[in-house]
Amino acid sequence: DGGITQSPKYLFRKEGQNVTLSCEQNLNHDAMYWYRQDPGQGLRLIYYSQIVNDFQKGDIAEGYSVSREKKESFPLTVTSAQKNPTAFYLCASSPEREGLGDTQYFGPGTRLTVL
Amino acid sequence: GQNIDQPTEMTATEGAIVQINCTYQTSGFNGLFWYQQHAGEAPTFLSYNVLDGLEEKGRFSSFLSRSKGYSYLLLKELQMKDSASYLCAVSRWAGNMLTFGGGTRLMVKP
Repeated sequence: DGGITQSPKYLFRKEGQNVTLSCEQNLNHDAMYWYRQDPGQGLRLIYYSQIVNDFQKGDIAEGYSVSREKKESFPLTVTSAQKNPTAFYLCASSPEREGLGDTQYFGPGTRLTVL
Repeated sequence: GQNIDQPTEMTATEGAIVQINCTYQTSGFNGLFWYQQHAGEAPTFLSYNVLDGLEEKGRFSSFLSRSKGYSYLLLKELQMKDSASYLCAVSRWAGNMLTFGGGTRLMVKP
């Protein structure tokens, strides 16, 4: 079945540790995105990538890093520099078409708790 | 910059109709999405409006007025399972990025 997977669903880390969240898609989508969602709030864009080996900062990139070595994969690293990392992290992908809006499809999310 | 406003919470009765409004101010507007998100789950796509007017899809309809920077999501024949957050998101030309509003938490009561 085609879809977007994120693992793990729940993740606990100690303060000061880097942690990498996985995002994989087999939809053959060009574009991938990472969002953060805090309780009772909307989604905020962290990073996005429109093509392999290229990515751009979103609205709240500080303290995060990404890579896009393969079309299917877009891992997000939450570094110790992120001041308040506890949140729900959502990965999305879309069949990017230049200059056109296209539907983004979301993975199930990873809930990160930093102790 | 971008500014998207929607009510924080709404309550409605099972079987009724509810309208969730969204107003936006943004540069490079391309279109407007509505997503449904149940607690603790990922958002799921409901609708996408590019042109002015009403798009109907079963019990859900979405309206857009580009000149007024206004959209609404209309839910008919409400069911208990419609209790969720509804996210309004604006698509911009550059990079196909979405900017989300804060979401409207809808509670459907018997």
